[in-house]
Amino acid sequence: DAKTTQPTSMDCAEGRAANLPCNHSTISGNEYVYWYRQIHSQGPQYIIHGLKNNETNEMASLIITEDRKSSTLILPHATLRDTAVYYCIVRAPGSGNTGKLIFGQGTTLQVKP
Amino acid sequence: DTGVSQDPRHKITKRGQNVTFRCDPISEHNRLYWYRQTLGQGPEFLTYFQNEAQLEKSRLLSDRFSAERPKGSFSTLEIQRTEQGDSAMYLCASSLWGRYQETQYFGPGTRLLVL
Repeated sequence: DAKTTQPTSMDCAEGRAANLPCNHSTISGNEYVYWYRQIHSQGPQYIIHGLKNNETNEMASLIITEDRKSSTLILPHATLRDTAVYYCIVRAPGSGNTGKLIFGQGTTLQVKP
Repeated sequence: DTGVSQDPRHKITKRGQNVTFRCDPISEHNRLYWYRQTLGQGPEFLTYFQNEAQLEKSRLLSDRFSAERPKGSFSTLEIQRTEQGDSAMYLCASSLWGRYQETQYFGPGTRLLVL
């Protein structure tokens, strides 16, 4: 699975959009980009995933560049409850793949009032 | 609540004792994963099951660790002769594995402290 690079930490003002970048320059054609977040002392929470196209759900939007070497997770209106560590993970699906997630250090997002 | 559940949520034990954790996955999820997370680090993969078969074990899983998923539903993770280095959060995740992609959903974790 491709390695990802994320900034260690970011701040965001409450009510503003939080844009969290992730680099995955060695991503393969069949690898998906997954985002999870982990609020202090809780289990990781699935946010969103995508392959090529931009994706949006009730939690966030995922923008993947055309060359797929980087992506951005967007929380449109950050709240204090969005303060967490955000993990960007690249993983190939399908048979023969264990499916295990390889977590990096993630980005600690601090939403400030 | 139909999410992944884990029991107990917290466990304090003395070095050398055995501990067992339980994970109940989301109903009908055929894959179940165990991860371990130490302070300040991201979760690390330990092992996973597809139905009742244990298909992969990490090198992190020493011979003191054993996991089972006897009927393809809930799973247990046992640590024998605990050591202080076993202190960590133990996370369980489940997924419905298909041909193209799967999404893992995590439980709240069991926090283990070995004294």
